[in-house]
Amino acid sequence: KAGVTQTPRYLIKTRGQQVTLSCSPISGHRSVSWYQQTPGQGLQFLFEYFSETQRNKGNFPGRFSGRQFSNSRSEMNVSTLELGDSALYLCASSLTTPAADTQYFGPGTRLTVL
Amino acid sequence: AQSVTQPDIHITVSEGASLELRCNYSYGATPYLFWYVQSPGQGLQLLLKYFSGDTLVQGIKGFEAEFKRSQSSFNLRKPSVHWSDAAEYFCAVGPTLLSNSGGSNYKLTFGKGTLLTVNP
Repeated sequence: KAGVTQTPRYLIKTRGQQVTLSCSPISGHRSVSWYQQTPGQGLQFLFEYFSETQRNKGNFPGRFSGRQFSNSRSEMNVSTLELGDSALYLCASSLTTPAADTQYFGPGTRLTVL
Repeated sequence: AQSVTQPDIHITVSEGASLELRCNYSYGATPYLFWYVQSPGQGLQLLLKYFSGDTLVQGIKGFEAEFKRSQSSFNLRKPSVHWSDAAEYFCAVGPTLLSNSGGSNYKLTFGKGTLLTVNP
């Protein structure tokens, strides 16, 4: 069974631009969660989608948004990029519930904002 | 608020030595507990998890962890470390109440991680 895939793996953007990251979950998984990982803050929860609906949201500004498609693939978008948005963005999928079911993580997208 | 503390930011051990990584949590009920490992440039891989039952949990790659409710701890152990174990290790707890959700929802709260260096 294929694992969680994320594209692209690396991105370089400049301040003020916007970016879209993509995540394809494991087949049959309906929950997709997004995390931001930085050396200073560690892993921080962004949001979680289930059946095309945002079910949970972390404490990030509205510049961070996401969506999920009917095939469970998910995208996250960051608008008006800031230097502090430079991070590794991780996607994780699970069958139904991130906490009760095992979450499987993708390799991440490394975003650098110049 | 729920939280996870990994007191050791960086640990160095010699290959073949035993290992214990500490994890303490703050949670209002019996938590779900997880240990993940992250190799450089990679995503996180689940090592083991505790939901209920036997408090000593066996995981992959020879790791085990023990849930101690009285100490609010879930320490990760390995009797003999291999060079390939060098990585960053994360403890996580869930479910977690999200303050902006108006009710109980489900997400994992991660510790800041412990970086393991293995000397030959």
